[in-house]
Amino acid sequence: GAGVSQTPSNKVTEKGKYVELRCDPISGHTALYWYRQSLGQGPEFLIYFQGTGAADDSGLPNDRFFAVRPEGSVSTLKIQRTERGDSAVYLCASSLGVAGTGELFFGEGSRLTVL
Amino acid sequence: SQKIEQNSEALNIQEGKTATLTCNYTNYSPAYLQWYRQDPGRGPVFLLLIRENEKEKRKERLKVTFDTTLKQSLFHITASQPADSATYLCALPSLGDYKLSFGAGTTVTVRA
Repeated sequence: GAGVSQTPSNKVTEKGKYVELRCDPISGHTALYWYRQSLGQGPEFLIYFQGTGAADDSGLPNDRFFAVRPEGSVSTLKIQRTERGDSAVYLCASSLGVAGTGELFFGEGSRLTVL
Repeated sequence: SQKIEQNSEALNIQEGKTATLTCNYTNYSPAYLQWYRQDPGRGPVFLLLIRENEKEKRKERLKVTFDTTLKQSLFHITASQPADSATYLCALPSLGDYKLSFGAGTTVTVRA
């Protein structure tokens, strides 16, 4: 499809386990974002990539969270030693970056539940 | 950092009426402001962007205003329909213009 694709759509894991969430952005979009959304809240910024590099990772809550985008396209958000408080919907978005107006195109999200 | 406040109460309105949503921000005035729609279980979808030098922007039944003096944007849905029922999010860019910060959203329910 032409939109942002996120997998898995749902992930249930046990406390302490390792999780990877994948994002496939719109082709040609150089900017990629990860957001986290809890129930009743707006999306909360985690990390921003321009190309392959993480230009801003100031939103990552702690060092258990890490994200990569090795070839400037697909990105993976990695969460180590998951905690119950990590349960949320993780949203990925892409945009044209400086070439665009700043409009973000979101995926449908990956719902993470940590038991 | 920028603090963004949207109507905390959900909005319930009769079909055909106008829904008015508020987005207030503190600190610096951004170069533009965006509004998104989010349906349950889905990602946000972009609706409108309004720039700091634009007082008003329209798209079909949607109208957005931007008052940099009041540090406020108003989002109107005119002639509302049940299909307009959703959560509406306002978003502002950072000073570096690469990152959007979102409000908590206002949930609108339109009754037939």
